[in-house]
Amino acid sequence: GAVVSQHPSWVICKSGTSVKIECRSLDFQATTMFWYRQFPKQSLMLMATSNEGSKATYEQGVEKDKFLINHASLTLSTLTVTSAHPEDSSFYICSARDTADHEQFFGPGTRLTVL
Amino acid sequence: GQNIDQPTEMTATEGAIVQINCTYQTSGFNGLFWYQQHAGEAPTFLSYNVLDGLEEKGRFSSFLSRSKGYSYLLLKELQMKDSASYLCAVTDSNYQLIWGAGTKLIIKP
Repeated sequence: GAVVSQHPSWVICKSGTSVKIECRSLDFQATTMFWYRQFPKQSLMLMATSNEGSKATYEQGVEKDKFLINHASLTLSTLTVTSAHPEDSSFYICSARDTADHEQFFGPGTRLTVL
Repeated sequence: GQNIDQPTEMTATEGAIVQINCTYQTSGFNGLFWYQQHAGEAPTFLSYNVLDGLEEKGRFSSFLSRSKGYSYLLLKELQMKDSASYLCAVTDSNYQLIWGAGTKLIIKP
């Protein structure tokens, strides 16, 4: 199956700093990438849908100025958590949708801990 | 609104069979996915159904009835490593994935 990578796999940062998470589709081109957040013992929550070359579409309740998404190429999308606070600590997972297929392929996730 | 229901938690015995049900109400339907997620890891793909019927893949099978808005995931010969959350997700008319809350499956020896 298609492979999606995320970097870093985990990060610890101080409150007030910004953290960038990369999501890459390694062996296919993805016009659409999705960013999810998952708190412990809860299901995935879609944060935003990112289309290559255009602005991301954010779900209700997700601050677009806090969670900056860039999808500059067909294989890379980035999520930047700006001015991170402890409540932003979560498991962030990206997925990518193949242009020729509608299945979403998931990255391994990034665990963010904000101190 | 869009809604996907699945049991919160189920318990089964090693070596047995368990069926996890999922019912959905979505705006349009373009397929149903089952994912497995171990604690602290991203979901991994198990199955995809877009037509009615049963899809079998080794110890796992998935069934779909579009007219009833219903699917189930059947796990046979349960192993301890099958302890995980199982997520049902439906692709709606816009090809967006609508997620269920997941079913935590506990396997006991």
